[in-house]
Amino acid sequence: ETGVTQSPTHLIKTRGQQVTLRCSSQSGHNTVSWYQQALGQGPQFIFQYYREEENGRGNFPPRFSGLQFPNYSSELNVNALELDDSALYLCASSLGTGVLPYEQYFGPGTRLTVT
Amino acid sequence: RKEVEQDPGPFNVPEGATVAFNCTYSNSASQSFFWYRQDCRKEPKLLMSVYSSGNEDGRFTAQLNRASQYISLLIRDSKLSDSATYLCVVNGGNTPLVFGKGTRLSVIA
Repeated sequence: ETGVTQSPTHLIKTRGQQVTLRCSSQSGHNTVSWYQQALGQGPQFIFQYYREEENGRGNFPPRFSGLQFPNYSSELNVNALELDDSALYLCASSLGTGVLPYEQYFGPGTRLTVT
Repeated sequence: RKEVEQDPGPFNVPEGATVAFNCTYSNSASQSFFWYRQDCRKEPKLLMSVYSSGNEDGRFTAQLNRASQYISLLIRDSKLSDSATYLCVVNGGNTPLVFGKGTRLSVIA
């Protein structure tokens, strides 16, 4: 096991609602990245946090936002949920900034269904 | 052109077979390369990093050709437990890691 944990495991929300997903990084890791994986696709990068600051963002709208806490755990918030937001949300922790991407270790993911 | 492209799957092979996966990437400035394995409805797990000199880990061999922007993964003596989706991963220009769509492997008894 990687030591990266995510909660909740599964979640069902209604279109227009807001959701918060949580991630605890592996001990000693200071960087957390979030990915969205739709069915049949590879994970798509949402954003990365390094020492509590956003350190890169993928092609996702502003209604996807995040936080990193002093203990390096992280949250992903999604506002105004849309049906296409239904996916597996993965958190990955690593040591480093991602500029030289160190190996990333994934949590088990949160499966979000928007109805 | 997609940043990371992989062989379309699925690959269905008998136990003991050798199978090779290929991957191409578009960003010539990419510096780091990985293969991840993902089991059905599970998270991706790092299989191996890929180095310019090529590297081997047991039955798995990864190769990188920077000139052709091409990465490969060779699995020898396939086991039933190798059945999974294999993701080619490259560090991108604006994002730390860019994943291919993955290639599904089914090893059949």
